Amino acid sequence: NAGVTQTPKFQVLKTGQSMTLQCAQDMNHNSMYWYRQDPGMGLRLIYYSASEGTTDKGEVPNGYNVSRLNKREFSLRLESAAPSQTSVYFCASSDIWTANQPQHFGDGTRLSIL
Amino acid sequence: GEDVEQSLFLSVREGDSSVINCTYTDSSSTYLYWYKQEPGAGLQLLTYIFSNMDMKQDQRLTVLLNKKDKHLSLRIADTQTGDSAIYFCAEKGGYGGSQGNLIFGKGTKLSVKP
Repeated sequence: NAGVTQTPKFQVLKTGQSMTLQCAQDMNHNSMYWYRQDPGMGLRLIYYSASEGTTDKGEVPNGYNVSRLNKREFSLRLESAAPSQTSVYFCASSDIWTANQPQHFGDGTRLSIL
Repeated sequence: GEDVEQSLFLSVREGDSSVINCTYTDSSSTYLYWYKQEPGAGLQLLTYIFSNMDMKQDQRLTVLLNKKDKHLSLRIADTQTGDSAIYFCAEKGGYGGSQGNLIFGKGTKLSVKP
């Protein structure tokens, strides 16, 4: 019963490096989301994908790109990492056909950029 | 735009009741949620309330909703040390609201003293 799986769990990058954060869900959910969590800021939406084949910007999209590879997978890419992108990144998914539409979260990727 | 406000810290003694408060701004929110985050983990859905309800009880948890004042509270009865965590209030809305995006408060850190 995996739910939402994120890889890697931890990563340290140098400024200017690129990397892709992976997310997969096995609940057959339509919608998937990427958030970042910073101390004292709560969770802020980076990008979301309402359904396979669509992606849209959230509150803080600058410096990121996303790909909805298929219904299960939604990746987040940092093309040129900056120290301001040091954060904990969470992927979530939800089923738009469930009335209360709760979001299910992965355990997060802790990313440090030096 | 939408905003969700919570106090940042709450400290209680084991066995006491905890009350975590939240105010929100989007009067059209259909569902409001409480999530729990334990150290190093993702967010876990605790409970939710539909906007046409005033109260919802689930074992030790009681959610109260005052739509007039846009105020939501979470009461934890007989608080235990295992309840120590960060609690997030969230409302539906923000980007592409009909697709289930959530706006989160900054979180209330609950500390339970033995």
